[in-house]
Amino acid sequence: AIHLTQSPSSLSAFVGDRVTITCRASQDMTSALAWYQQRPGKAPELLIYDASTLKSGVPSRFSGSGSGTDFTLTISSLQPEDFATYYCQQFNVYPLTFGGGTKVEI
Amino acid sequence: EVHVVESGGGLVKPGGSLRLSCAASGFTFSSHSFNWVRQAPGKGLEWVSSISSGGDYIYYADSVKGRFTISRDNGLNSLYLQMNSLTAEDTAVYYCSRGIGYNGSPIGYWGQGTRVAVSS
Repeated sequence: AIHLTQSPSSLSAFVGDRVTITCRASQDMTSALAWYQQRPGKAPELLIYDASTLKSGVPSRFSGSGSGTDFTLTISSLQPEDFATYYCQQFNVYPLTFGGGTKVEI
Repeated sequence: EVHVVESGGGLVKPGGSLRLSCAASGFTFSSHSFNWVRQAPGKGLEWVSSISSGGDYIYYADSVKGRFTISRDNGLNSLYLQMNSLTAEDTAVYYCSRGIGYNGSPIGYWGQGTRVAVSS
């Protein structure tokens, strides 16, 4: 199984900050990686897929990059509503796997 | 509009069974793969199982293999998860989910989740 390691596991930032979250895969998985945002008590929501494709309707301050084993999610200017936990997920092979999550505190 | 709604969660004793259901609407159910994803209290997301559009390809996480069975009824636009031999480690919110395309991932649509608690 492909293991995904997210870092950091949590971070504190100010409104307007640029935030970067990394996701490292235990083996090469091309660009079959997605990023999700989960607010407290809510279901996750897809932000980015295929490593860098922004889902329609997601604010452009979110961006993704990377391929192979190293991926990043960047929030260019953090907003109060971005307080949430972020997860990466690989869909290259089964079993599907998620990273451990990164909690962003404003 | 795509809509998925889970049901069937509840409190069950260790060793017991539970069947989760997911009702879907707003799209051609039979064209899409589906997943069950769970989240234990205070923990991260864990993929549980996936099923292809026709039900001929099925995958399970090692943690549930042999105990859980995913199935679907395309005539009823419904997805199921039969859970047997439940343990405390199965306590979680279970999400029914669909990919943004015909494949199960990336997961573009999630239900609100149904809670399963395994306790004596």
